[in-house]
Amino acid sequence: DIQMTQSPSSLSASVGDRVTITCRASQSIATYLNWYQQKPREAPNLLIYATSSLHTGVPSRFSGSGSGTDFTLTISSLQPEDFATYYCQQSYNIPWTFGQGTKVEIK
Amino acid sequence: EVQLVESGGGLVQPGGSLRLSCAASGFTFRSYSMNWVRQAPGKGLEWVSYISSSSSTINYADSVKGRFTISRDNAKNSLYLQMNSLRDEDTAVYYCARDAGYSTSFAAGYWGQGTLVTVSS
Repeated sequence: DIQMTQSPSSLSASVGDRVTITCRASQSIATYLNWYQQKPREAPNLLIYATSSLHTGVPSRFSGSGSGTDFTLTISSLQPEDFATYYCQQSYNIPWTFGQGTKVEIK
Repeated sequence: EVQLVESGGGLVQPGGSLRLSCAASGFTFRSYSMNWVRQAPGKGLEWVSYISSSSSTINYADSVKGRFTISRDNAKNSLYLQMNSLRDEDTAVYYCARDAGYSTSFAAGYWGQGTLVTVSS
């Protein structure tokens, strides 16, 4: 199975900050990498698919980049509604696997 | 509007069975592949199973293979997960999730609200 490792596991940031979360795959997954946001007691929501494409309705302050084994999710200017847990997920191989999550908290 | 509504969760003893359902609306169900994804209390996301639009391709996580069965009824716009020989470690919120429909990559674009399965004696 492909292992997905996110860093950091958690971070504290202020509204307006630029935030970067990284995701590393245990083998090359080309650009088959997705990002999800999950708020407490809610289902996850797709943010970015295929490394860098925004899902319908996702604000442009979210962006993604990378290829192969190293990927990045960037929030250009953190908003109050962005405090949540973020997961990366590879869709290169079955079983689909997720990173352990990165919790973004208010500083 | 895409809607996915799970049901069938509850408390079950180890070794028991449960059948989850996911009712879909707001889109052409028969055109999309579907998945079950679970989340143990306080933990991350774990993919459980996949079924293609026509049921021709089915996959399972190793952790549930041989115990869980995914199926769908396109006439009823419904997805199912039959769970047998349940274990404590199957305790989780179970989400049904629809393929986003992008040709460049599979992604779970739409999720239900989840149904809680608790395995405990």
